Amino acid sequence: LAKTTQPVSMDSYEGQEVNITCSHNNIATNDYITWYQQFPSQGPRFIIQGYKTKVTNEVASLFIPADRKSSTLSLPRVSLSDTAVYYCLVGEINAGGTSYGKLTFGQGTILTVHP
Amino acid sequence: DTEVTQTPKHLVMGMTNKKSLKCEQHMGHRAMYWYKQKAKKPPELMFVYSYEKLSINESVPSRFSPECPNSSLLNLHLHALQPEDSALYLCASSQDPGGGQPQHFGDGTRLSIL
Repeated sequence: LAKTTQPVSMDSYEGQEVNITCSHNNIATNDYITWYQQFPSQGPRFIIQGYKTKVTNEVASLFIPADRKSSTLSLPRVSLSDTAVYYCLVGEINAGGTSYGKLTFGQGTILTVHP
Repeated sequence: DTEVTQTPKHLVMGMTNKKSLKCEQHMGHRAMYWYKQKAKKPPELMFVYSYEKLSINESVPSRFSPECPNSSLLNLHLHALQPEDSALYLCASSQDPGGGQPQHFGDGTRLSIL
């Protein structure tokens, strides 16, 4: 399973766009990229997932360059309620064997949004 | 509100007690998971159930015993735990265990071992 590296923490202000970059240099051909958000005393929540290029949903965008060795989660116009830990994960598509269904969380990025 | 329900939300037990954590989902998901999360650390996978069969055990000590009675329920039986087992225990489910399926997490059981 590919190892991921993220900034430990980031600070932003309400209304700003926040970009969190994740490095995954040894990502494999069958690997996809997923981001989760976690608030204190709650379970992680799925945000977005992608394989290559750009993916957008109602809450975020995910940018993946052609070499797929990194990815960037973009949160438009953050609010105080976006203060949370954000995890980048890399996992196999249609994997078999011992890694089937296995997610490995990295250390995550603590995002703090200030008024 | 989460679609994965975990009970109890909090549990305090002694090292000689036997207790169980419960997890329930009604989304028709066929894969279910147990994670352990220590304070200020990421979740760590413990067990994966695929179509009600244990498919992954991440070398978890035998004092933790998972059980999947049916496709909607997942239990974690606890016996003779140690103080270092105090943590948030998270249950998750996904449509199937294949990669590419987002996992839906419950809000966990906060376990304290005296």
